[in-house]
Amino acid sequence: GQQLNQSPQSMFIQEGEDVSMNCTSSSIFNTWLWYKQEPGEGPVLLIALYKAGELTSNGRLTAQFGITRKDSFLNISASIPSDVGIYFCAGQLVGGNKLVFGAGTILRVKS
Amino acid sequence: GAVVSQHPSRVICKSGTSVKIECRSLDFQATTMFWYRQFPKQSLMLMATSNEGSKATYEQGVEKDKFLINHASLTLSTLTVTSAHPEDSSFYICSAGIRDRGTDTQYFGPGTRLTVL
Repeated sequence: GQQLNQSPQSMFIQEGEDVSMNCTSSSIFNTWLWYKQEPGEGPVLLIALYKAGELTSNGRLTAQFGITRKDSFLNISASIPSDVGIYFCAGQLVGGNKLVFGAGTILRVKS
Repeated sequence: GAVVSQHPSRVICKSGTSVKIECRSLDFQATTMFWYRQFPKQSLMLMATSNEGSKATYEQGVEKDKFLINHASLTLSTLTVTSAHPEDSSFYICSAGIRDRGTDTQYFGPGTRLTVL
């Protein structure tokens, strides 16, 4: 099936540092979504991107929809302990409504 | 806005019994609802796509007679795990889609932890 390559797999950073993670695919997507999941809970939508080249911010989070429509990145600036969790990218293929998920990036923040 | 609830949040049952999980969109009507399964330390795996008033579309390898989906209204979908066995123990998560700019943005419920003894 379709796959998204998400990296890095995990990160252990110092509080206050910036974080960057990305997803790439060989397929073209018409929507990119970034979710955060905490233990025992469902994913929470952070940012939705609908247009190639789109750059969108949500507080300290910034995400971009790659111009080739095959990649996206998420940046978190000035990380804080509550940023801890698993971050998933998800892409929606052209003409469909199903999501393809990345494997997730585990973020740990040391205070 | 865009709140999705699931009930129950966790359930423990004996092998051979059936378990029903409800998924509701609380403040919007969902064009489509989706059911996922997640094993520990893994990503979400789509099980089926559900549209109100029609039969669910199951992903390859998912048994439709094992995982019964009913989508009775634009705000409610149910997943019934029939004759559950220990290997069905997992975290089940639903999502509800809102049509926005020509695509469905999915909002997820809090998940249901199923443990089959």
